[in-house]
Amino acid sequence: GQNIDQPTEMTATEGAIVQINCTYQTSGFNGLFWYQQHAGEAPTFLSYNVLDGLEEKGRFSSFLSRSKGYSYLLLKELQMKDSASYLCAVMFSGGYNKLIFGAGTRLAVHP
Amino acid sequence: EAQVTQNPRYLITVTGKKLTVTCSQNMNHEYMSWYRQDPGLGLRQIYYSMNVEVTDKGDVPEGYKVSRKEKRNFPLILESPSPNQTSLYFCASSTGGHQPQHFGDGTRLSIL
Repeated sequence: GQNIDQPTEMTATEGAIVQINCTYQTSGFNGLFWYQQHAGEAPTFLSYNVLDGLEEKGRFSSFLSRSKGYSYLLLKELQMKDSASYLCAVMFSGGYNKLIFGAGTRLAVHP
Repeated sequence: EAQVTQNPRYLITVTGKKLTVTCSQNMNHEYMSWYRQDPGLGLRQIYYSMNVEVTDKGDVPEGYKVSRKEKRNFPLILESPSPNQTSLYFCASSTGGHQPQHFGDGTRLSIL
């Protein structure tokens, strides 16, 4: 199957840096998304990677290694409002570009 | 304002009573999709549509139907709901390809 693995929960301190990892099976890989989802709300788009390397967007960065089937989302200068679930979603090629979501990583930011 | 609108937001109903969850987007997106989200399982795709009159099954289509008669609307139909369909449902749309999906605010269904 096309499993997407990410840690279930993480905790971090306000102002710190946290890295959320995501691993996936490389066969058919065609792009990777990160979404943020606050409790009870809709997922919102954070970043997209299709080539190896780091994509930076303000306090958030996302890294991809296609050969290793590995990505991470890096959150800097953590704020309380960053407490949310972070969803890794991988696009696999086929009849159409199918998007498979990981179960999400619940991040709790403490003062 | 660009948005995906789902209705109802919350519904408690009983087994076997047909229900429809509506989804509408105002971004002229060709691609639309329905997901269900359950604890520990993440978002799982139920059905998707690449364009008007083009729909196909996702990973968990059993017990659901959809239609795409107009570009903006993509209703999800539960003909005979059962308790295992109690879940949080999200509709999403995008221009397709590698573009990110825009999600509605979700519909929490409880089937008793």
